[in-house]
Amino acid sequence: AQSVSQHNHHVILSEAASLELGCNYSYGGTVNLFWYVQYPGQHLQLLLKYFSGDPLVKGIKGFEAEFIKSKFSFNLRKPSVQWSDTAEYFCAVINTGGFKTIFGAGTRLFVKA
Amino acid sequence: KAGVTQTPRYLIKTRGQQVTLSCSPISGHRSVSWYQQTPGQGLQFLFEYFSETQRNKGNFPGRFSGRQFSNSRSEMNVSTLELGDSALYLCASSLGQSNEQFFGPGTRLTVL
Repeated sequence: AQSVSQHNHHVILSEAASLELGCNYSYGGTVNLFWYVQYPGQHLQLLLKYFSGDPLVKGIKGFEAEFIKSKFSFNLRKPSVQWSDTAEYFCAVINTGGFKTIFGAGTRLFVKA
Repeated sequence: KAGVTQTPRYLIKTRGQQVTLSCSPISGHRSVSWYQQTPGQGLQFLFEYFSETQRNKGNFPGRFSGRQFSNSRSEMNVSTLELGDSALYLCASSLGQSNEQFFGPGTRLTVL
């Protein structure tokens, strides 16, 4: 069965620190990959996505993620976090042509001002 | 363009009752998915509908059911509620398969 693993459940950083959130998935076929973010009191929204092409994708608010096919990973990065990045981050995977998106358990990020 | 809307936003029920939640997708989106979100469990996939057909179902008991109407609006029903059904139920719509999803605000269900 497909699964998505997010390595860190809680992360606390100071402003200006660099961020990397890990995401690994288990599925042997072609996949589409997503990172979603849920800011306090807001809806889940798309941060970035990878369908094909350049494995380094850029999203909103300075976030980027790198798809490493050989490692089944899609890690999220940001060089310098801000207090406003405090949120919960979810990695998600769907097999190409599929109908079921699998989400990771989420990582709660708290950025200290 | 209006986003995904869900009603009601909050519900309190007692064990054994049933509940129906409603979701209106973004105009033009024909795929609607439902998720259960609980602390520590992330989003658990319930089911996905496209053009009134359920195309995939998660690992939930038969007490959880859903349907989609011709206008793409969707409902999910939970019968014989249990305490463990307390959660945030999220609806998401998308243009089609494998695409990004747009989420509604969710319905917070509390079972007493």
